[in-house]
Amino acid sequence: QVQLQESGPGLVKPSQTLSLTCTVSGGSISSGSYYWSWIRQPAGKGLEWIGRIYTSGSTNYNPSLKSRVTISIDTSKNQFSLKLSSVTAADTAVYYCARDRYDSGVYYPGSFDPWGQGTLVTVSS
Amino acid sequence: SSELTQDPAVSVALGQTVRITCQGDSLRNYYASWYQQKPGQAPVLVIYGKNNRPSGIPDRFSGSSSGNTASLTITGAQAEDEADYYCNSRDTSGNYYVFGTGTKVTVL
Repeated sequence: QVQLQESGPGLVKPSQTLSLTCTVSGGSISSGSYYWSWIRQPAGKGLEWIGRIYTSGSTNYNPSLKSRVTISIDTSKNQFSLKLSSVTAADTAVYYCARDRYDSGVYYPGSFDPWGQGTLVTVSS
Repeated sequence: SSELTQDPAVSVALGQTVRITCQGDSLRNYYASWYQQKPGQAPVLVIYGKNNRPSGIPDRFSGSSSGNTASLTITGAQAEDEADYYCNSRDTSGNYYVFGTGTKVTVL
C-alpha cells in the first residue's frame, strides 16, 4: 500500500522560497501512469490544488500560482518536490502531497488517494 | 476564486439522509470527486468517478450528477460522518483542478 510523507522547513521567511519534498513508500514512484500532486490548505479555509507532475516529468500548475511554482520528481529517491518562490504570509498553509486514484486498471486523474498527512508551513520573519 | 460552489453548512439528524451539492460549469463535462475531512486530518476520498467508493468507505455514501451539479448523499448519517466535505473536479478549461468551497456537516 503506497504511503506519502511530506517533509521540509516549517518556517520560511517572506520573499524566500518554500521547498517541500514528498517521499513515496510502499511502491515505486515511476511505476504506473500516475500524476503526483501538491495541494494546500490555509488554516480554517478550503483546499487549493497547486500542481502536479507525471512520472515522465511533465507538469501542470494552477494558473494562480504558476509563475511561482516548480514541481520536480526524483525517481532515484522515490520523491517529488515543490518549490514556491517569493512567499508571503498568504502562503502559510498545510501542504499535502497526493496521488491520483488507481482502481482495477483504471486511473482517475484528479481523484486524490492516497494523501500524505500534511505539513504546516508558516511564512513569517 | 473557486469555480465549484458548495453550501457552507448543513445539518442532519442522526440516521437521516443529507445531500451535499457542488455546482460548477465544468461539472457538465467532468465527474466530481468527494472528500471527507475531519479536524486535524488529511482529506479522505469517499466518492470518485461516476459513483465509486474506495474500500473502507461505507455504502451509505453515494454520488450523483445532473447538469452542472454534483451531489454527495449520506443515507442514514452517523455521528462519525460529522466533518467537512469537499468536491473537486477539473476547471472549465479542463487544464487544472479545482476544489469546492466546502460544506460543514453537523449530525444532530
